[in-house]
Amino acid sequence: AQSVAQPEDQVNVAEGNPLTVKCTYSVSGNPYLFWYVQYPNRGLQFLLKYITGDNLVKGSYGFEAEFNKSQTSFHLKKPSALVSDSALYFCAALKLIWGLGTSLAVNP
Amino acid sequence: EPEVTQTPSHQVTQMGQEVILRCVPISNHLYFYWYRQILGQKVEFLVSFYNNEISEKSEIFDDQFSVERPDGSNFTLKIRSTKLEDSAMYFCASTETGRTEAFFGQGTRLTVV
Repeated sequence: AQSVAQPEDQVNVAEGNPLTVKCTYSVSGNPYLFWYVQYPNRGLQFLLKYITGDNLVKGSYGFEAEFNKSQTSFHLKKPSALVSDSALYFCAALKLIWGLGTSLAVNP
Repeated sequence: EPEVTQTPSHQVTQMGQEVILRCVPISNHLYFYWYRQILGQKVEFLVSFYNNEISEKSEIFDDQFSVERPDGSNFTLKIRSTKLEDSAMYFCASTETGRTEAFFGQGTRLTVV
């Protein structure tokens, strides 16, 4: 069965520190992978995607993600976290398969 | 910047009543989707719509659900007889093609009482 896993329900990081939100996938064929962010009482906003090409993908708000085929991972990263990055982050494959979401809390 | 718009933002309905959730996708997009998110749970795919017909649907999308594109701009989700467990945030999304990023609306919070 195809699936997307976000192993951490919650990630806490201090402002200014690097952050990583993990995602692994099990999808047949070449995966199309996405990260979305959901702020409180808001819709889902697209951050970045991997379709093909460079394994390091840069997206909105300074986020980037690294596609690792051997580890079937697509972790979201940011070199220096901001308090305003606190939100719910979803990894998705294609349009049907979603992770459970990871709540990011950036502490001032 | 073009955006997907959804109305209403919040709807409260009594169990057994019909509700229609409305969405206006981005104008040049061809694929339309409905998702739902029950509070505290994952985002769940309901249905995709292309070329005036359903292209895919999940097992959640049973006979109580229907979608329609009544004109050139609106995309609606109808729930015929709401149940308490239909309470959720419903998101509409559209994509330019079937394999590009989806743009989501702000969502409609449906509360069934």
